[in-house]
Amino acid sequence: DAMVIQNPRYQVTQFGKPVTLSCSQTLNHNVMYWYQQKSSQAPKLLFHYYDKDFNNEADTPDNFQSRRPNTSFCFLDIRSPGLGDAAMYLCATSRGAVAKNIQYFGAGTRLSVL
Amino acid sequence: GQQVMQIPQYQHVQEGEDFTTYCNSSTTLSNIQWYKQRPGGHPVFLIQLVKSGEVKKQKRLTFQFGEAKKNSSLHITATQTTDVGTYFCAGGRPLRGATNKLIFGTGTLLAVQP
Repeated sequence: DAMVIQNPRYQVTQFGKPVTLSCSQTLNHNVMYWYQQKSSQAPKLLFHYYDKDFNNEADTPDNFQSRRPNTSFCFLDIRSPGLGDAAMYLCATSRGAVAKNIQYFGAGTRLSVL
Repeated sequence: GQQVMQIPQYQHVQEGEDFTTYCNSSTTLSNIQWYKQRPGGHPVFLIQLVKSGEVKKQKRLTFQFGEAKKNSSLHITATQTTDVGTYFCAGGRPLRGATNKLIFGTGTLLAVQP
């Protein structure tokens, strides 16, 4: 049973056309993360929510925004996608405790920008 | 900033051979996690090490955390074709609110020839 669900699995957008990726979880975890992963690279953390507390990474472009309306859902908004934003976007959750913060990843959304 | 490097980047072995990937951090880590990502898939948690010098085994996989908590290794004995994928270490760094930020290593892609 999928515990972290990302929709859609594949998304095609046009250059400059806003796009929203969604993530939902059934684990009731405090923390939700968004990562960007480009081909043959490690996942790169964009931001995370600890409950409603939003934490942006210093090098995350302003073009990337996030919303977490409730515990279960988190959205990644890309306001004006560029060709360089084509990547796999991974959502992950964790319980938040320092010693037990295993991250559970969704299957990812592969974004193409035309 | 904090970096976590892995070597080798790529390893090609014959089925039945052993495999080791090494992970090195520029700073001391609170813990280290290992994830496996199959081609086209998402990272899946394998194990977490917390204590200095800790060694854990999962069947053919042996994980080690260095005494200084700055390096780690994953050793696979007698590789099988099912071991194919990219292995990422991820170093934990405590954040406020008792959550834990993971710094992913650069990854090692393992190819196993039958």
